[in-house]
Amino acid sequence: AQSVTQPDIHITVSEGASLELRCNYSYGATPYLFWYVQSPGQGLQLLLKYFSGDTLVQGIKGFEAEFKRSQSSFNLRKPSVHWSDAAEYFCAVGLQTGANNLFFGTGTRLTVIP
Amino acid sequence: NAGVMQNPRHLVRRRGQEARLRCSPMKGHSHVYWYRQLPEEGLKFMVYLQKENIIDESGMPKERFSAEFPKEGPSILRIQQVVRGDSAAYFCASSPRQQPSGNTIYFGEGSWLTVV
Repeated sequence: AQSVTQPDIHITVSEGASLELRCNYSYGATPYLFWYVQSPGQGLQLLLKYFSGDTLVQGIKGFEAEFKRSQSSFNLRKPSVHWSDAAEYFCAVGLQTGANNLFFGTGTRLTVIP
Repeated sequence: NAGVMQNPRHLVRRRGQEARLRCSPMKGHSHVYWYRQLPEEGLKFMVYLQKENIIDESGMPKERFSAEFPKEGPSILRIQQVVRGDSAAYFCASSPRQQPSGNTIYFGEGSWLTVV
């Protein structure tokens, strides 16, 4: 069965520090990969996506993510975190065949301290 | 081009009442998805619809929940005889073509249901 794992439930970083949020998936082939951000009481905003090609993808708000097939990972990174980045981050997987939906991880809550 | 529109944004229902959540997809999108987010959890797929058709309802609870996407008007997620465990955020998403095809699906801002 497909699964998405975000091992870090909560991460705290200082403003200006670098950030890496982990995401691992379990699937027999290369899936489509997404990162979404959710502010409290708000909907999901797409940060970036990977479908094929270059394994390093650039997103909005200065985020990037790297697909590593050998590790079944799609970690999200940002070199310098801003206070406004505090939110919940969700990794999601879409399958190339079969299911009609996205599978979401349980999310990582990011706290940014001054 | 307006995004995915959901209403109401917040809904309070007493146990046993019915809840109706509406979703208007983005212009030009004919595929609608409903997801549920329980507190402290990620989103879980419920149902996928096209106009007048339910394509995949594998994530829908077997009882009390139903969804429709009529030829005219928004998609509706209906929960009958709500219970406290139905309290959650319900997100609608839409896409121009069927997943999985590499297309991005776009999410609405959600409807927060509270059952008291």
